Amino acid sequence: QSALTQPASVSGSPGQSITISCTGTSSDVGAYNYVSWYQQHPGKAPKLMIYDVSNRPSGVSNRFSGSKSGNTASLTISGLQAEDEADYYCSSYTSSSTRVFGGGTKLTVL
Amino acid sequence: QVQLVDSGGGVVQPGRSLRLSCAASGFTFSSYGMHWVRQAPGKGLEWVALIWFDGSFKYYADSVEGRFTISRDNSKNTLYLQMNSLRAEDTAVYYCARETTVTYFFDCWGQGTLVTVSS
Repeated sequence: QSALTQPASVSGSPGQSITISCTGTSSDVGAYNYVSWYQQHPGKAPKLMIYDVSNRPSGVSNRFSGSKSGNTASLTISGLQAEDEADYYCSSYTSSSTRVFGGGTKLTVL
Repeated sequence: QVQLVDSGGGVVQPGRSLRLSCAASGFTFSSYGMHWVRQAPGKGLEWVALIWFDGSFKYYADSVEGRFTISRDNSKNTLYLQMNSLRAEDTAVYYCARETTVTYFFDCWGQGTLVTVSS
């Protein structure tokens, strides 16, 4: 049950786009289209942003998008805004029927 | 509205036990799988345990297997986490989260409850 690998930090200026990667294995990310992404502001509970690799829940801005290739999933945020500054976590279903999270990525909007 | 309220956290000595609760409202609790997810201070999210909608299946992270027990009472719309043999490394904010029976993502989270294991 090793955590998925995410970059510790990414940054971008307002209006720019950034991408956060999430690398797993053939037993989790690579095996299923069940990758989800969560946004967490300090002191708050996580919020679902993307599910099933690329689907956005109702109410989430279309500036957020997801994709996957092989064992690596990605979250892209376009048109960066100040309120996007937060921690982001990926999660995947696993072949053991458990779940696994990435280590988290801190997004800084410059 | 849909709501999950976590409770039961506190300060506990190493080796002792604690039980967390998660009260659900605003949805049909018995139709959802439920999870516990924790976050150590300044660290990332760690999945802890899952219980199916009817309690028939339970899964645990290796780090808590044999020490923690997840359970639910659908008549009370409440999820539980019994934590035994607590260790310093179990110190974290514990969140409950729901998942529909045919999906694999957490669409609603509790506010979290802090567990501190310290002598």
